[in-house]
Amino acid sequence: DVKVTQSSRYLVKRTGEKVFLECVQDMDHENMFWYRQDPGLGLRLIYFSYDVKMKEKGDIPEGYSVSREKKERFSLILESASTNQTSMYLCASSPPQTGRRLEAFFGQGTRLTVV
Amino acid sequence: AQKVTQAQTEISVVEKEDVTLDCVYETRDTTYYLFWYKQPPSGELVFLIRRNSFDEQNEISGRYSWNFQKSTSSFNFTITASQVVDSAVYFCALSGLNTGGFKTIFGAGTRLFVKA
Repeated sequence: DVKVTQSSRYLVKRTGEKVFLECVQDMDHENMFWYRQDPGLGLRLIYFSYDVKMKEKGDIPEGYSVSREKKERFSLILESASTNQTSMYLCASSPPQTGRRLEAFFGQGTRLTVV
Repeated sequence: AQKVTQAQTEISVVEKEDVTLDCVYETRDTTYYLFWYKQPPSGELVFLIRRNSFDEQNEISGRYSWNFQKSTSSFNFTITASQVVDSAVYFCALSGLNTGGFKTIFGAGTRLFVKA
């Protein structure tokens, strides 16, 4: 089975802290994604990566950065956490999109609370 | 612009009832893909189905069925004889081939409660 693992289920951080959310996949997928899930808004794409050291902004990249040093690992970084970044964060991976839009495989999510 | 609308925020049914979750989409792409995902209380989104824009044939998988109608830009999901284990949030999603690159646009989700 495809496995996408996020390092924490729950996190509580203080305003201004630098926060790292880690995601690891074991299916050798090229593509990895970070989404944010908020009630009534569905999932919104923050950043994605289609290769090691490659990254692209999604729809809401402000206040976030990412790192992909290895194919299996994609990290989301909140440079200076703010209360409006309190949310559920979902990581996903998918195979190369060779003209077909293939389904993504998701991690279990990290619920981040910034106080 | 691409958009996915799931107008039903929450639905509550009694076990064994049939329930339909609505999904309406907007896209300028001629080639696109539609998805349904299930998010149980554990939090992990689970892929249910993918449909491409050239395949309007309806699909049935056990108690699940999907009705894709390009004329009304809808991709509705029906659960027959619902069970308590169907309780979850269901997301409809859209990915365009020509625009949006790798982006997949998700609807706001419909929370389904199935009561015993």
